[in-house]
Amino acid sequence: EAQVTQNPRYLITVTGKKLTVTCSQNMNHEYMSWYRQDPGLGLRQIYYSMNVEVTDKGDVPEGYKVSRKEKRNFPLILESPSPNQTSLYFCATSTGGLPYGYTFGSGTRLTVV
Amino acid sequence: AQKVTQAQTEISVVEKEDVTLDCVYETRDTTYYLFWYKQPPSGELVFLIRRNSFDEQNEISGRYSWNFQKSTSSFNFTITASQVVDSAVYFCALSEETSGSRLTFGEGTQLTVNP
Repeated sequence: EAQVTQNPRYLITVTGKKLTVTCSQNMNHEYMSWYRQDPGLGLRQIYYSMNVEVTDKGDVPEGYKVSRKEKRNFPLILESPSPNQTSLYFCATSTGGLPYGYTFGSGTRLTVV
Repeated sequence: AQKVTQAQTEISVVEKEDVTLDCVYETRDTTYYLFWYKQPPSGELVFLIRRNSFDEQNEISGRYSWNFQKSTSSFNFTITASQVVDSAVYFCALSEETSGSRLTFGEGTQLTVNP
């Protein structure tokens, strides 16, 4: 079954404690990206990757890092989380070509206290 | 730059009423795709429809219908005879050919259907 797996689903952490949210896909998709969802703002892109070792900033990259060492994995790293990073995070993948079709992970609800 | 606007933050209706969710987009591309997603209280994103810029035919799927009008840059979504299970946040999104696979979302509309 084609899927995007995000872990964990829920996470409560403290300010400054490094954390990683994992994203893995089994569809051999070129394109992977991370979004955060906040009330009234919709989903905003944090980082994206067009292929292995190719990553770029989205609209709200501050405070986040990513890596794409393998095609299937695209972890989101918060080196020093702060309360304003409390949000719902989604990983998404796409074939990278027309027609665009997107597959989303189930989401990670992160709370930073 | 691509932009999507969903001006209706919240809509509340009574069951069996029809409801239309508005979506207005901005793009300079001639080739682009428009999407609607549903986010139920459980939080996952459920894909509803994708429409490319060259296909302005309206689409109907059961109680759902979509009206795409390039002249007004709108892609509105209508639910006929709404049900309580339709209660969710609905997102409209846009992807341009020149932006690669970047997907830009609107702010979302919270629909509440009351029994």
